[in-house]
Amino acid sequence: ETGVTQTPRHLVMGMTNKKSLKCEQHLGHNAMYWYKQSAKKPLELMFVYNFKEQTENNSVPSRFSPECPNSSHLFLHLHTLQPEDSALYLCASSQDRVNRGPLILFGSGTRLTVV
Amino acid sequence: GQQLNQSPQSMFIQEGEDVSMNCTSSSIFNTWLWYKQDPGEGPVLLIALYKAGELTSNGRLTAQFGITRKDSFLNISASIPSDVGIYFCAGPNSGGGADGLTFGKGTHLIIQP
Repeated sequence: ETGVTQTPRHLVMGMTNKKSLKCEQHLGHNAMYWYKQSAKKPLELMFVYNFKEQTENNSVPSRFSPECPNSSHLFLHLHTLQPEDSALYLCASSQDRVNRGPLILFGSGTRLTVV
Repeated sequence: GQQLNQSPQSMFIQEGEDVSMNCTSSSIFNTWLWYKQDPGEGPVLLIALYKAGELTSNGRLTAQFGITRKDSFLNISASIPSDVGIYFCAGPNSGGGADGLTFGKGTHLIIQP
């Protein structure tokens, strides 16, 4: 248990559905991330929030919409997804440390299947 | 962008054998991280390295930060069945701070009975 909790663990949705993924951490970390993991590809960084402000959006399609209401919670809102969006979506958090780089801890992920 | 090359892609070993895998980059990193991922779970941090030449152990795992700061290796001694999984190397993105990590494609470790 890393202290980063994601729900749901599994999600099956149709292409016309709207759903949300939730992530929370009570580690006191100031940064939170969404990563996408597809088969046979490296982990892809999607979004970064630092002190609730979005600092990175890696050319992610607008059908993925992140929300960070506070430093402990992060959401990923999904709408009109495509089958190729099926993947493991991982949330992570970190506490920035001067001169040491972030130590990123991951949740268990949400396995998303788009049908 | 930054890229990390991990090798080998997969390893088939017998229980009890030692394992060695490495990670190289075309750019310099000031931190190297090694993660392990079990099926259906998120990656779990194993070892973090912060200085060129640093050698750090975590139980049967040992990792080293290469002198050139462009490579790192991970060794596992006397492998056991629960070592099965995917091992990833990672380094901070070039923006520094909370910009996330770049990951290698992973080394799949499979232990044959």
